[in-house]
Amino acid sequence: DAGVIQSPRHEVTEMGQEVTLRCKPISGHNSLFWYRQTMMRGLELLIYFNNNVPIDDSGMPEDRFSAKMPNASFSTLKIQPSEPRDSAVYFCASSFAGQGSYEQYFGPGTRLTVT
Amino acid sequence: GENVEQHPSTLSVQEGDSAVIKCTYSDSASNYFPWYKQELGKGPQLIIDIRSNVGEKKDQRIAVTLNKTAKHFSLHITETQPEDSAVYFCAGSGNTPLVFGKGTRLSVIA
Repeated sequence: DAGVIQSPRHEVTEMGQEVTLRCKPISGHNSLFWYRQTMMRGLELLIYFNNNVPIDDSGMPEDRFSAKMPNASFSTLKIQPSEPRDSAVYFCASSFAGQGSYEQYFGPGTRLTVT
Repeated sequence: GENVEQHPSTLSVQEGDSAVIKCTYSDSASNYFPWYKQELGKGPQLIIDIRSNVGEKKDQRIAVTLNKTAKHFSLHITETQPEDSAVYFCAGSGNTPLVFGKGTRLSVIA
C-alpha cells in the first residue's frame, strides 16, 4: 500500500506566483481532506471532499485558495496569487467514509515557502 | 461545532517512565477519538483510536481511555523510549470531519 502521495514535497516560490499542490489518496478511499499546519494555528482543515464532491470549504482562508478533485484518485490545491503568509506545511489525508469507519490517513505533506 | 482541548502542550519524561496526555471535547455526539503521532518532517500517523462504545483500548505500550460522561479521553504511553519523542495530537468527530487538539510535544530523555 503506497499510502497517500503528495507532490511536490517542497516548494519555494515568489510572492504573486501560482502554486499547485497535488494529492493522490489511498485507493478505495472516498473522502479526501486538505489541511494546513503552522506553528501558530496548528492543524487547520481547509476543505474536504466526499466522492469527489466538495462538502465543506469553510476553512479555505481566501478566494486565492481553490481545490479540485476531478476523479477519485487525484486532487489539487491551488493558491493564486501566493503570499508570504501562505508559507506552511500542507497535508492531504484520505479515509473511507463508510458506516462506523473514520480512520484518516495523512500524506507526508508539502512544505511551501513563499518569499 | 466540536471543540477539542489538549494538554499539556509540552511534556518531558525520563526513559522508562509513563506519559499521559489528556483531551476534552465539547460535542456529546462525537463518537470517534483517534490519536496521531507526528515525527519531525513527516505527516501525522494514526497510532490508536477508540470509539464511544468502549472505555479503554490497548496496543502494546500505548492505551487510550474514554470517559463519555466527563467528555474526556487520554493517551497513556508506558515504558517510554527515545523513539516515542514526537508531537501527539488527539482528535474527535461524530458525523463531521475530525477536529484536532493543538498537540503535545513529548520528549523522552535517555
